[in-house]
Amino acid sequence: QKEVEQNSGPLSVPEGAIASLNCTYSDRGSQSFFWYRQYSGKSPELIMFIYSNGDKEDGRFTAQLNKASQYVSLLIRDSQPSDSATYLCAVNLPLSGNTPLVFGKGTRLSVIA
Amino acid sequence: DGGITQSPKYLFRKEGQNVTLSCEQNLNHDAMYWYRQDPGQGLRLIYYSQIVNDFQKGDIAEGYSVSREKKESFPLTVTSAQKNPTAFYLCASSKDTDTQYFGPGTRLTVL
Repeated sequence: QKEVEQNSGPLSVPEGAIASLNCTYSDRGSQSFFWYRQYSGKSPELIMFIYSNGDKEDGRFTAQLNKASQYVSLLIRDSQPSDSATYLCAVNLPLSGNTPLVFGKGTRLSVIA
Repeated sequence: DGGITQSPKYLFRKEGQNVTLSCEQNLNHDAMYWYRQDPGQGLRLIYYSQIVNDFQKGDIAEGYSVSREKKESFPLTVTSAQKNPTAFYLCASSKDTDTQYFGPGTRLTVL
């Protein structure tokens, strides 16, 4: 069973639309959830983290966490072509011991001008 | 400026050669990590270290070695035993086992 799953995409949205990226995880004890953005040929950069159920907003980005359903989402409002990148979800898996974050394989987002 | 540096940015290796990738951080982070990323693929954990003089294997440690003699430094050696080393190598660090911050990466190519 994969521990952190993301749809690989590509997810194509028109400029100005809302992009919705989803991530599911297997460990019910997970407490920390992260979204990273990775442009082609570059290293991942942290966009947001969320620890509590509900929504967390930062500018055009909103992270949504639902621990009961074991999913975390990233919404990007007013999508811009510069948002075109691969988005990585990362989760801590405490039932696996004191181990590093587990990363999903990422969803490729393409914002069409 | 605080951050994570990796060198070199590009590295070319001949068959049978060992090469060492550098990773340095001045964030006072305890934990450091090495990942490998192949084109169109996710991150795969090679090794990680949560404290000086200690490190653990990740999912794909075969053909790689590391050391952690100083808190700031976590070099990765790609040995000749690694048969397909061409990839993008990423180093990261974190205060604990939580939020990770990445260096700019080293692109290794086997000639």
